[in-house]
Amino acid sequence: ELKVEQNPLFLSMQEGKNYTIYCNYSTTSDRLYWYRQDPGKSLESLFVLLSNGAVKQEGRLMASLDTKARLSTLHITAAVHDLSATYFCAVDPPSGTYKYIFGTGTRLKVLA
Amino acid sequence: DTGVSQDPRHKITKRGQNVTFRCDPISEHNRLYWYRQTLGQGPEFLTYFQNEAQLEKSRLLSDRFSAERPKGSFSTLEIQRTEQGDSAMYLCASSSGWGANVLTFGAGSRLTVL
Repeated sequence: ELKVEQNPLFLSMQEGKNYTIYCNYSTTSDRLYWYRQDPGKSLESLFVLLSNGAVKQEGRLMASLDTKARLSTLHITAAVHDLSATYFCAVDPPSGTYKYIFGTGTRLKVLA
Repeated sequence: DTGVSQDPRHKITKRGQNVTFRCDPISEHNRLYWYRQTLGQGPEFLTYFQNEAQLEKSRLLSDRFSAERPKGSFSTLEIQRTEQGDSAMYLCASSSGWGANVLTFGAGSRLTVL
């Protein structure tokens, strides 16, 4: 059964600093998604990574996928307070059923 | 398009009662998903539909849970004989079923079982 793990689970960082969130998954998959969730709100799609070596960037966030290592990273550059949220990765199992399995999430707090 | 709509947004019920949630997906999306999320956890897959067909149901879902999607449009999720452990946010999402197949989530229905 596919398992998706994220680390760290909690991250408190100063504004202006850089950091990386890691998403590991247990079986082969070529599709990985990153979502953001603000407190009390639903999930918002950030990135879709569909092949090995895929890299996507939006503002201060950059996501990458290494399917051989079964690893995706979400890199935060020069963090700002508005990035405070919980970030989830989700993986589509190899059977292609589109049954996305989510990680436990990384709760990010950016301190001014 | 107004996105994915869920109703009600909040439901408080007593243990043993039945509850039903409704989800209206994005109109051109033929896939619809239900997830459950508890505090501090990621969304947990419950079930999904391709048009009106329920293609997969989580083993974690007890017989008290049932979902339908008549005519491939809106969907309902019913929980019978609710238990305190059912308290959670129930999220509905829809997707096109092709290409990147990104899930678009609704705002969720929060259930509190007393």
